[in-house]
Amino acid sequence: GEDVEQSLFLSVREGDSSVINCTYTDSSSTYLYWYKQEPGAGLQLLTYIFSNMDMKQDQRLTVLLNKKDKHLSLRIADTQTGDSAIYFCADGGATNKLIFGTGTLLAVQP
Amino acid sequence: EPEVTQTPSHQVTQMGQEVILRCVPISNHLYFYWYRQILGQKVEFLVSFYNNEISEKSEIFDDQFSVERPDGSNFTLKIRSTKLEDSAMYFCASSGGSVTGELFFGEGSRLTVL
Repeated sequence: GEDVEQSLFLSVREGDSSVINCTYTDSSSTYLYWYKQEPGAGLQLLTYIFSNMDMKQDQRLTVLLNKKDKHLSLRIADTQTGDSAIYFCADGGATNKLIFGTGTLLAVQP
Repeated sequence: EPEVTQTPSHQVTQMGQEVILRCVPISNHLYFYWYRQILGQKVEFLVSFYNNEISEKSEIFDDQFSVERPDGSNFTLKIRSTKLEDSAMYFCASSGGSVTGELFFGEGSRLTVL
């Protein structure tokens, strides 16, 4: 079945760029998403990319998609302590059902 | 800004008891979902619901689970006889059915089964 994999942990210093990586298996994905989960909170949609695009920029966020390798990344420029959270990659597949990765815990050191 | 709301935020129950988790989706949304996240594990799809019926369900969503939209605003998940392994955070989500397909999630209901 479909699967989404992410690295579990990333630590960066405040002001640096963060890059969170994700791989997926479903070749019928239409959209891919990045969600953010702060402690004790729900899943907040950060951004998404259409599978026919290879890049999308939204303020400090840059999403790169390599459809051939089924690799998705989220770059956060000028990372702040408020960016500390768990980031989930999600694969939209052929239906509205989302398949989530394990989540990457981003720790931002002051 | 419209949001998905869930109640209760935390419920503790004894094994074998019935639990109902409640959700109020965003008002003009048409698609509703339940996901769960066992501590330290992935967020897993349970069920999707559209036009007053289940449109898709996962292997996890067995006969112990049911969903209902009892009125025009609530969407509920019932677990008939809870097991220890049902302990998890349960997330409700809704979608307007846009082509971009994004889901909007509630803050979750933490279920602890003792």
